[in-house]
Amino acid sequence: GQQVMQIPQYQHVQEGEDFTTYCNSSTTLSNIQWYKQRPGGHPVFLIQLVKSGEVKKQKRLTFQFGEAKKNSSLHITATQTTDVGTYFCAGPEAAGNKLTFGGGTRVLVKP
Amino acid sequence: DGGITQSPKYLFRKEGQNVTLSCEQNLNHDAMYWYRQDPGQGLRLIYYSQIVNDFQKGDIAEGYSVSREKKESFPLTVTSAQKNPTAFYLCASSSTGTSQETQYFGPGTRLLVL
Repeated sequence: GQQVMQIPQYQHVQEGEDFTTYCNSSTTLSNIQWYKQRPGGHPVFLIQLVKSGEVKKQKRLTFQFGEAKKNSSLHITATQTTDVGTYFCAGPEAAGNKLTFGGGTRVLVKP
Repeated sequence: DGGITQSPKYLFRKEGQNVTLSCEQNLNHDAMYWYRQDPGQGLRLIYYSQIVNDFQKGDIAEGYSVSREKKESFPLTVTSAQKNPTAFYLCASSSTGTSQETQYFGPGTRLLVL
């Protein structure tokens, strides 16, 4: 079945620094979604990418969908303590209407 | 105030006991989902439903059961057959259930086996 992998599993970042987290699918995706889960909270939708090579920005967050539509990245600039949480990517299965979630990247920010 | 509600927030289960987790939405969404999240792990799909009176097994359905008698409600029962039920359970919904859609999550229920 489809697999969605995220690296790194953990990311310790100094406040003010930039970092990137990556999402890789075993199959070509029609779209990819990103969610953020704060500690003790529930996942909240951030963004959806649909087109090959698409880049979208949300303030300090930049999301990119790979040309082959099998990978995606999230880049955060000038990390703040509010960025703490787990970032999940999710891709739809080719057949059916289910999303497969990656294992997430847990981001810890050092002040 | 639209959204998804889950109750209770915390639930304790004794060995051999069935427990039911509630999930209600007032978003008028057709599709609803149940996920399990273990500490430090991702989300795994238990069951999902795209329409009233119909539901499908997800990746880890063994030991769980669901019903969808009303559009607004999708309760999950954790049966005694589920040998390791301690986890964080998340309910979600989406408009029509296609994989293109955003899923909206409830606040979750933390289940602990005593």
